[in-house]
Amino acid sequence: DQQVKQNSPSLSVQEGRISILNCDYTNSMFDYFLWYKKYPAEGPTFLISISSIKDKNEDGRFTVFLNKSAKHLSLHIVPSQPGDSAVYFCAASALGFQKLVFGTGTRLLVSP
Amino acid sequence: DTAVSQTPKYLVTQMGNDKSIKCEQNLGHDTMYWYKQDSKKFLKIMFSYNNKELIINETVPNRFSPKSPDKAHLNLHINSLELGDSAVYFCASSQDGSSNQPQHFGDGTRLSIL
Repeated sequence: DQQVKQNSPSLSVQEGRISILNCDYTNSMFDYFLWYKKYPAEGPTFLISISSIKDKNEDGRFTVFLNKSAKHLSLHIVPSQPGDSAVYFCAASALGFQKLVFGTGTRLLVSP
Repeated sequence: DTAVSQTPKYLVTQMGNDKSIKCEQNLGHDTMYWYKQDSKKFLKIMFSYNNKELIINETVPNRFSPKSPDKAHLNLHINSLELGDSAVYFCASSQDGSSNQPQHFGDGTRLSIL
């Protein structure tokens, strides 16, 4: 039973455009959501997070949006750069539980 | 300056062998984790330790035994390796294990069972 889902395995975007990566979750106990970026042969790198008390969090070119009623979050990257090409994982955790539950990732390719 | 480091990076061994993977973090964090990424790229938690104490054990076979000599180290020992153990194993750490903290990952150990 996959509680965090990333239904798009891949996404291709041109440099300078917006990249939108989506994530859906089923567990209403989740209250903290994170995005990680992963390059080949490296570990996931923390990118940005959002608490369930907010609906938006912004950090430079990266913005995460949370829609609790739809159990949906998205990561916007504007403008996209070739160096953003990587696999992006959505993850979630519930209050009182230490573990992160990950989605299966979306491979983003930003072409020049 | 590596924050979470794992050794070895690659491990190729025969079925039935016993092997260990080491993990060290220099972030001063209290909580460490082991995750397994299987062939479908699904990243799933195995264990977490908080200040050397086991907190999470996610129905992992007894052949897997984590050991935390101090809060900066969490090693993973695997007995009687099976083909299905082939995966990438990631170590991670976080400040104090609170659910609203990011976890910081090592670069992974790719384990291949022949």
